[in-house]
Amino acid sequence: EDQVTQSPEALRLQEGESSSLNCSYTVSGLRGLFWYRQDPGKGPEFLFTLYSAGEEKEKERLKATLTKKESFLHITAPKPEDSATYLCAVLTGSARQLTFGSGTQLTVLP
Amino acid sequence: DTAVSQTPKYLVTQMGNDKSIKCEQNLGHDTMYWYKQDSKKFLKIMFSYNNKELIINETVPNRFSPKSPDKAHLNLHINSLELGDSAVYFCASSQEDRPDFGPGTRLLVL
Repeated sequence: EDQVTQSPEALRLQEGESSSLNCSYTVSGLRGLFWYRQDPGKGPEFLFTLYSAGEEKEKERLKATLTKKESFLHITAPKPEDSATYLCAVLTGSARQLTFGSGTQLTVLP
Repeated sequence: DTAVSQTPKYLVTQMGNDKSIKCEQNLGHDTMYWYKQDSKKFLKIMFSYNNKELIINETVPNRFSPKSPDKAHLNLHINSLELGDSAVYFCASSQEDRPDFGPGTRLLVL
């Protein structure tokens, strides 16, 4: 059974304090790894898809990386508006369905 | 220009009732989904529907049934609601592998 584990569960940062969120996975046949951002009371918002080990993608203060066992979401000089829950998900096999981790709740203090 | 929309946004009902949640997407996507997010923010696939092919997560009780009148709509009907059905239900759609999520329907069963 595919498993996705995110850590830490919660992270509090001061504005400007860079850090990383981790997503480790145990799957058979990874087809893609997805990062989403979810604000309170809203649906998940797509950030990145990574398809192969060594791939990296960037968007503003966020950078996602992928290895054969885990993915990191690096946040550089975060701002309070980066506060949200960050969800990681994997796509495996022939079924077009994502398996999600439980998320990391990020709070950036001004 | 809402991409994936759901109604209602909130749903409060008594145990034993039957209720439906409607979902519409205007993205022209081929695949639609229903996800359930529990109180711990864990997002889990319930159904995916593609060209009249329904893939059901085996853990979903048969009280839950998706209904698709056309390619742009996938409604969720729930019979005999139970307390444990209280959660946030997200509709999503995708053309390839990346789902775009709706805003969610918050269901509370009393």
